[in-house]
Amino acid sequence: KAGVTQTPRYLIKTRGQQVTLSCSPISGHRSVSWYQQTPGQGLQFLFEYFSETQRNKGNFPGRFSGRQFSNSRSEMNVSTLELGDSALYLCASSWGYEQYFGPGTRLTVT
Amino acid sequence: GQNIDQPTEMTATEGAIVQINCTYQTSGFNGLFWYQQHAGEAPTFLSYNVLDGLEEKGRFSSFLSRSKGYSYLLLKELQMKDSASYLCAVRDGNYQLIWGAGTKLIIKP
Repeated sequence: KAGVTQTPRYLIKTRGQQVTLSCSPISGHRSVSWYQQTPGQGLQFLFEYFSETQRNKGNFPGRFSGRQFSNSRSEMNVSTLELGDSALYLCASSWGYEQYFGPGTRLTVT
Repeated sequence: GQNIDQPTEMTATEGAIVQINCTYQTSGFNGLFWYQQHAGEAPTFLSYNVLDGLEEKGRFSSFLSRSKGYSYLLLKELQMKDSASYLCAVRDGNYQLIWGAGTKLIIKP
């Protein structure tokens, strides 16, 4: 069974631009969560989707948004990028209690 | 607020035993997780505790005390490949996962 895939793996953007990241969960998994990871801060929860509905949302500004499609694939969008948005963005899919993480998208904002 | 505390860094010797502690304060509790994350890689699942007590899985064991808001991960017969960050996470009353900042474990020969 294929694992969680994320595209792109690396991204360099300029302040003020917007970015869209994509996540394809493990086949059959209907729950997808997104996290931001920065050194020293650990994993910060962004949001969770289940069957196309946002089930939970973390404490991030409205510039961060997401959605899930009927095939469970998910996208997250960050508008008006700031330097502080530079981070590793991880997607995880789950069936039951265990989360399976993708390799992440490394976003650098210059 | 919700909070998870774990040591920032620990050092241990190959072949030895190390215990990584995690204390938490959350609004509700629906399970505690331990994940391992090697540098530059995604976290991978190690263990899940929802009831008090010890869960053993090979060289790794995890303990939970809900009344104390405390867990530990015990790693035995340490190997160099165990050098990684170990993340503690708690699922709160809203089923949201709250993560600790992680403990970087350094194994020395």
